[in-house]
Amino acid sequence: GAVVSQHPSWVICKSGTSVKIECRSLDFQATTMFWYRQFPKQSLMLMATSNEGSKATYEQGVEKDKFLINHASLTLSTLTVTSAHPEDSSFYICSARPPQELLYEQYFGPGTRLTVT
Amino acid sequence: AQKVTQAQTEISVVEKEDVTLDCVYETRDTTYYLFWYKQPPSGELVFLIRRNSFDEQNEISGRYSWNFQKSTSSFNFTITASQVVDSAVYFCALSDLMEYGNKLVFGAGTILRVKS
Repeated sequence: GAVVSQHPSWVICKSGTSVKIECRSLDFQATTMFWYRQFPKQSLMLMATSNEGSKATYEQGVEKDKFLINHASLTLSTLTVTSAHPEDSSFYICSARPPQELLYEQYFGPGTRLTVT
Repeated sequence: AQKVTQAQTEISVVEKEDVTLDCVYETRDTTYYLFWYKQPPSGELVFLIRRNSFDEQNEISGRYSWNFQKSTSSFNFTITASQVVDSAVYFCALSDLMEYGNKLVFGAGTILRVKS
């Protein structure tokens, strides 16, 4: 149980275009999902917390207009990188928290590698 | 200020050696949780252990063991008889309510290279 998927697993896009990444909880409902970014040889940095049916909360320094997060259902959250640039190339990882679990629990997706050319 | 410190950037060992990965954390909360994750080259995070602040018992799982010491704010991870498959990046993470709102704060990670 507690499986989280991400799609696509990797994507290459041209500079200036937008790309959408999906995060799905496959066997549980997730009231809260998190989006992380990981640059090569660096740690995971939390970008935003999304709660189903409400606006995402972004961490300091993360541009909300550039990284659009939608958590429209209890099993799906999407991250859209708008007007992508090469510096947005990174590994994006989502995690999901089931509502019945204690607040510390998160289940991670396999990640999406974004390359902007 | 760094709240989770993994001072070892990279460690190289020869297969069958024991290796300890250090983790020091900082929090003012009395209730918190500590985690270790493994990230192999594929990139997917693998959950290894979760420990709450009230449980200081050391834990052993096969070749893995964890030493939690509140007095020194440390949560170290030891791999006994390391194997090549243990090569990965290992992250220590902290979650508490007061300072971080139950978000996960990750350390910088330690790259472990196990050579045959």
